[in-house]
Amino acid sequence: EDKVVQSPLSLVVHEGDTVTLNCSYEVTNFRSLLWYKQEKKAPTFLFMLTSSGIEKKSGRLSSILDKKELFSILNITATQTGDSAVYLCAVEGTSYGKLTFGQGTILTVHP
Amino acid sequence: DVKVTQSSRYLVKRTGEKVFLECVQDMDHENMFWYRQDPGLGLRLIYFSYDVKMKEKGDIPEGYSVSREKKERFSLILESASTNQTSMYLCASSRFQGGNTGELFFGEGSRLTVL
Repeated sequence: EDKVVQSPLSLVVHEGDTVTLNCSYEVTNFRSLLWYKQEKKAPTFLFMLTSSGIEKKSGRLSSILDKKELFSILNITATQTGDSAVYLCAVEGTSYGKLTFGQGTILTVHP
Repeated sequence: DVKVTQSSRYLVKRTGEKVFLECVQDMDHENMFWYRQDPGLGLRLIYFSYDVKMKEKGDIPEGYSVSREKKERFSLILESASTNQTSMYLCASSRFQGGNTGELFFGEGSRLTVL
């Protein structure tokens, strides 16, 4: 059974801090790992990672995958209150279409 | 702007009722998905469909069925709702990309309460 564990489960920081969110996984025949941000409504896509060691970057957010150690991190620099959300990690393994999600990390950024 | 629309945002039903949750996407995506989201459990896949009239069971299909008669529409059916099906239901779609499922586009969710 595929498994995805995110840590920490929740995190409270102040504006301007840098945060690192972790996602470790156990899947058979890894295909991809995805990060999503969920505010009050629909999750929105951040990154998809398929190759080890290649950083993906979008503004203050970046992510990298380590397929040997089976984890990914999501970094957010210079956090803002608008970064407050639940961050979801999902992994696709053997079966096409079947993404396994972690429990999510609740990030709260105080002014 | 791409869109996945779930017709009902909030529903309250009684135990034993039949419930239909509708989802429509306007992106001509091949893949469509139904997830439920519960606190502490994350998103869990109920069913997905990779083509019209095709469906695959996800991790928790018991108590649910689905219908995909048209490419843009994917319906989730609870034949006889039970209180443990009280949850947030999220529909999603993605374009077929060959090797992996790719980016999912989510609807805003349907919060179902079964009394």
